[in-house]
Amino acid sequence: RKEVEQDPGPFNVPEGATVAFNCTYSNSASQSFFWYRQDCRKEPKLLMSVYSSGNEDGRFTAQLNRASQYISLLIRDSKLSDSATYLCVVSLFGNEKLTFGTGTRLTIIP
Amino acid sequence: NAGVTQTPKFRILKIGQSMTLQCAQDMNHNYMYWYRQDPGMGLKLIYYSVGAGITDKGEVPNGYNVSRSTTEDFPLRLELAAPSQTSVYFCASSNQETQYFGPGTRLLVL
Repeated sequence: RKEVEQDPGPFNVPEGATVAFNCTYSNSASQSFFWYRQDCRKEPKLLMSVYSSGNEDGRFTAQLNRASQYISLLIRDSKLSDSATYLCVVSLFGNEKLTFGTGTRLTIIP
Repeated sequence: NAGVTQTPKFRILKIGQSMTLQCAQDMNHNYMYWYRQDPGMGLKLIYYSVGAGITDKGEVPNGYNVSRSTTEDFPLRLELAAPSQTSVYFCASSNQETQYFGPGTRLLVL
């Protein structure tokens, strides 16, 4: 079983729609959780950290379910600029030694 | 701040050749990392360093070596290039909250 599993997509979603991704992780000792965004042929960049209580940043909402070992990302009112690959990332120790999922590719259609 | 810089951007190597991928950061981060990303895959950790003079293996260290003589620089050495090392290589550095990635080096081994 992979340490971090994501649906690779692609998700093709009309502009303005809401889209949600899930990710599961296998190591119950994982302590830190993140969503990174990677544009085509670019480096990954931190989108948001994921906290146990759930957190929101503008149109983006992240949730963590420790009991079921999954993380979700919800994007509301999607924009063309949201087109990217979204990487689910977990770590045993804070920001060190991150384990990456393979990513979910999202394309927003005008 | 330039952030994390990597050179070269792109390189073609013949099987058996050696090369050094350069990485530098100007954010005074203690932690630095090397990842590789194969097409359609997540990033895999090759080596990491928690400070000058200290390095450790990640998930896929075979065929690579690193050194960390200064806080700023973390070069990755390939001694005998193999086709399996064709990939995109990302260097990263981190503070307490975020890993910052360089723009990547695309390596093709023929």
